[in-house]
Amino acid sequence: QVQLVQSGAEVKKPGASVKVSCQASGYTFNDYYLHWVRQAPGQGLEWVGWINPDSGGTNYAQRFQGRVTMTRDASINTAYMELSSLKSDDTAVYFCARDRWERLSRDIFNYWGQGTLVSVSS
Amino acid sequence: EIVLTQSPATLSLSPGERATLSCRASQNINKYLAWYQQNPGQAPRLLIYDASNRATAIPARFSGSASGADFTLTISSLEPEDFAVYFCQQRYNWPPVFGQGTRLEIK
Repeated sequence: QVQLVQSGAEVKKPGASVKVSCQASGYTFNDYYLHWVRQAPGQGLEWVGWINPDSGGTNYAQRFQGRVTMTRDASINTAYMELSSLKSDDTAVYFCARDRWERLSRDIFNYWGQGTLVSVSS
Repeated sequence: EIVLTQSPATLSLSPGERATLSCRASQNINKYLAWYQQNPGQAPRLLIYDASNRATAIPARFSGSASGADFTLTISSLEPEDFAVYFCQQRYNWPPVFGQGTRLEIK
């Protein structure tokens, strides 16, 4: 069965960077785009961007451009999201989510990781 | 950027009742709207995509419909496990955007 397992919670100071991992299993890693979505405490969902695991190509939401970097290591079926210059309002649960469509980014998220809480506080 | 407005913010119903949740788009998004269910402390779960297509293993009591820029998620007869937060999400325009959510609570 498809599983996305994320790395554990992180506590960071303002200005620092954080790197969250998402290890996939149960399907061919290169065949499906992986998205990152975040959720601030008690708030709604916000799309951060996607990575094409096959090519390494990325697409980031405008508000995160320049601060976010998505990468992957296909040898271990793992995608990463690194967010730099952290601010207190980056405190959120970060989810990875697999696209529903094979080899396309159709922005339908049908499998999700368990989430990683990133707390930013001085 | 498209704005999705969900209503009501909170819906209080009893098990066995019918639930109707709404999502209105600020501009045309064709049929490209999805619905997700989220329980506390869990990841969202895809229920409906492209307005009316049920995702894999989603019970038939969940259905979606569209009329212009207005979208509806209907739960025909509420089960105890259906009390959760529901989000709509559009994929017609970049970037994908979510609504602010409707909390479905037990009356």
